[in-house]
Amino acid sequence: ETGVTQSPTHLIKTRGQQVTLRCSSQSGHNTVSWYQQALGQGPQFIFQYYREEENGRGNFPPRFSGLQFPNYSSELNVNALELDDSALYLCASSLNPESRINEKLFFGSGTQLSVL
Amino acid sequence: AQKITQTQPGMFVQEKEAVTLDCTYDTSDQSYGLFWYKQPSSGEMIFLIYQGSYDEQNATEGRYSLNFQKARKSANLVISASQLGDSAMYFCAMREGVGATNKLIFGTGTLLAVQP
Repeated sequence: ETGVTQSPTHLIKTRGQQVTLRCSSQSGHNTVSWYQQALGQGPQFIFQYYREEENGRGNFPPRFSGLQFPNYSSELNVNALELDDSALYLCASSLNPESRINEKLFFGSGTQLSVL
Repeated sequence: AQKITQTQPGMFVQEKEAVTLDCTYDTSDQSYGLFWYKQPSSGEMIFLIYQGSYDEQNATEGRYSLNFQKARKSANLVISASQLGDSAMYFCAMREGVGATNKLIFGTGTLLAVQP
């Protein structure tokens, strides 16, 4: 059973650029969510994808967008990068899209994005 | 609004001793779930333990136990017999009710250092 994998591990961009982060979900998991973790903070929910559609979103602007592919892998795209976008971006997969109370999330090791 | 508060930015513990990491939460829902995750320096969030709001007994998973006090809205993590490998960030998180996503609300975390 393969775990959640993310690429790249580190990325440096400049303000105004666009970035794409990638995630492969754990084997058998059909739901992917993305979190942003700023330095010294806990992760914050960006959005969730199920069946290739976004089915939930946190308090993030539209320049944060995503995709999910038929094999359940996912991309996070951020346009017009700002300095405050510098953070660790975590991908998490799970079996079910609905919020079963005890549904565990399985996280990847994240992509560290630095915006200069 | 749902909120998780972790008031201990950092904790020290001697190897083989027990340590308690504090977590309080705020929610108006009757049905919710509480999670603890460990984040080593590699960045991956590792699930440790889960407690449901209707669970009558405190959850235990090996050396981890959760001291759940519903009236006080606290869900403290107890790690027994600390090991050097326990040194990491620890996050308390909550899922509220049943909905369309697996969204977790995280606290700001506690950095645990286990000393030999």
